[in-house]
Amino acid sequence: DVKVTQSSRYLVKRTGEKVFLECVQDMDHENMFWYRQDPGLGLRLIYFSYDVKMKEKGDIPEGYSVSREKKERFSLILESASTNQTSMYLCASSLYTAFSAGYTFGSGTRLTVV
Amino acid sequence: AQTVTQSQPEMSVQEAETVTLSCTYDTSESDYYLFWYKQPPSRQMILVIRQEAYKQQNATENRFSVNFQKAAKSFSLKISDSQLGDAAMYFCALTGNQFYFGTGTSLTVIP
Repeated sequence: DVKVTQSSRYLVKRTGEKVFLECVQDMDHENMFWYRQDPGLGLRLIYFSYDVKMKEKGDIPEGYSVSREKKERFSLILESASTNQTSMYLCASSLYTAFSAGYTFGSGTRLTVV
Repeated sequence: AQTVTQSQPEMSVQEAETVTLSCTYDTSESDYYLFWYKQPPSRQMILVIRQEAYKQQNATENRFSVNFQKAAKSFSLKISDSQLGDAAMYFCALTGNQFYFGTGTSLTVIP
């Protein structure tokens, strides 16, 4: 089975801190994605990447950046954390750009910014 | 632009009964895929069922089946013989140049 691993299940950070959320997948998937999940809003795409060193903005990229130095690892960076970035963050990967096989998700990181 | 709408924020069902979760979507693509994902309290999103738009036959996976009405752009999920383990948030999703998700339906299963 493909595994997508998010390094932290829960994180508490202070306002203004630089925060790194790490995601690693073990099945050589080209495509990786970062979503945030908020009640009543569903999943919203922050950034995605179709290849190493490649990144594309999603629907809500403001306040975030990403890094993909290796194919298996896709990091989400909050340059200066703010309380409105308190949320659940989900990482996902897929093999094909047509997405026909669907995503494989990590188990999420619940981030609280205080 | 692609959109996915789930109009039922919460649903409940008696154990062993059948429940249907609604999903409508909009897309200008002629070829696309539709999915239902389940997110239990463990938070791990699990693929429940997948439908290819060019196939008229409704997808079925054990107790889970869909009613895919392409002209109406409707994609509902039917859960038969509901079990306590079916309690979760369910998300409908549509492919485009990314995945587009609905806002989710929280399903409660009453013993």
